[in-house]
Amino acid sequence: GQQLNQSPQSMFIQEGEDVSMNCTSSSIFNTWLWYKQDPGEGPVLLIALYKAGELTSNGRLTAQFGITRKDSFLNISASIPSDVGIYFCAGQVGAGNNRKLIWGLGTSLAVNP
Amino acid sequence: ETGVTQTPRHLVMGMTNKKSLKCEQHLGHNAMYWYKQSAKKPLELMFVYNFKEQTENNSVPSRFSPECPNSSHLFLHLHTLQPEDSALYLCASSQGTSGRREQFFGPGTRLTVL
Repeated sequence: GQQLNQSPQSMFIQEGEDVSMNCTSSSIFNTWLWYKQDPGEGPVLLIALYKAGELTSNGRLTAQFGITRKDSFLNISASIPSDVGIYFCAGQVGAGNNRKLIWGLGTSLAVNP
Repeated sequence: ETGVTQTPRHLVMGMTNKKSLKCEQHLGHNAMYWYKQSAKKPLELMFVYNFKEQTENNSVPSRFSPECPNSSHLFLHLHTLQPEDSALYLCASSQGTSGRREQFFGPGTRLTVL
């Protein structure tokens, strides 16, 4: 079946550092989504990408839809303590009512103040 | 603040109990979803409802029974669960199931089956 490889699994960084994480697959996706999940909460959508090559920013976050449509990355610049959490990528396949989301396992981010 | 609420937030139940999880969305969406989130596994889609009609059931055991009385409310009825069913159960909603329909999640119900 379709799988997403999300890396790294975890990161421990100093406040102020930049962070990069990515998702890759052997499958082609028509949408990439990046979510953040805080402890005890549900995932919150950060960035949605709809076209190959698309580069989108949301504050200190930047994400790109890979040209091959098989990968995406998320960068966080100048990290702060509230960036702590688990970041998930999700790729969408299919069309119309048959669209499905395939989820990565998440990247756990810890920020040392 | 989320437009999707879930109750209870935590639930401990025995294998012979019957309980229900509730989800309510205040976003005017038409589609609602149940997911299971377990450690070290990708998010697992369980059920999808679009305009109150179930459109997807991902081979979920019959001990999980969903109910969607209207587009704003979604229930998950639990009966004779197993310890391996312990997980975070997340509800989500979206404006339909096609097109650019980002899903918005509730905070989840942390379920422990003893």
